[in-house]
Amino acid sequence: RKEVEQDPGPFNVPEGATVAFNCTYSNSASQSFFWYRQDCRKEPKLLMSVYSSGNEDGRFTAQLNRASQYISLLIRDSKLSDSATYLCVVIKSSASKIIFGSGTRLSIRP
Amino acid sequence: GAVVSQHPSRVICKSGTSVKIECRSLDFQATTMFWYRQFPKQSLMLMATSNEGSKATYEQGVEKDKFLINHASLTLSTLTVTSAHPEDSSFYICSALHGQGREAFFGQGTRLTVV
Repeated sequence: RKEVEQDPGPFNVPEGATVAFNCTYSNSASQSFFWYRQDCRKEPKLLMSVYSSGNEDGRFTAQLNRASQYISLLIRDSKLSDSATYLCVVIKSSASKIIFGSGTRLSIRP
Repeated sequence: GAVVSQHPSRVICKSGTSVKIECRSLDFQATTMFWYRQFPKQSLMLMATSNEGSKATYEQGVEKDKFLINHASLTLSTLTVTSAHPEDSSFYICSALHGQGREAFFGQGTRLTVV
């Protein structure tokens, strides 16, 4: 079983829709959680950190559920520019290790 | 903020030659850097973990003699693709941990084409 698992998608939703992604992780000792965004042929860029208390940044909300070992990303009022691959990232700083999910492809249609 | 710079961004080389890719942490020290490879429409695949002053740790299936990693300073790691072949054509990305290992920053990536 992979340490971090994501639904690869693709998700194809109309502009303005709300879309949610989940990511599960297997190692309860994992320490830091993030969502990254990767555009085609570019490097991943940090979208937001994920906390148990939740983290909201404009149209984006991220949540960590340690008991169930999953993190989520909610995008409201989606825009065409939100089309990208969203990567769930777990950092185990004690082990100096970055673990990626395989990414979820999102395509927003007009 | 923390920045990781990767160079070159794009390289085309002839089959059989070697290519060196540099990854620099610009305003922080990175004792550990990571090298990834990404084929079109596929996810990032970790190739190796580069440790300053010691040998790199390679993932299963990655040939250490073909993908040479050197991490001689706290701000520079290099990946050399030796005797490159067309199947080595890919997008190579480095990353480094920052903030006591609590954040990850990525280089801009290197698109390697072997002809």
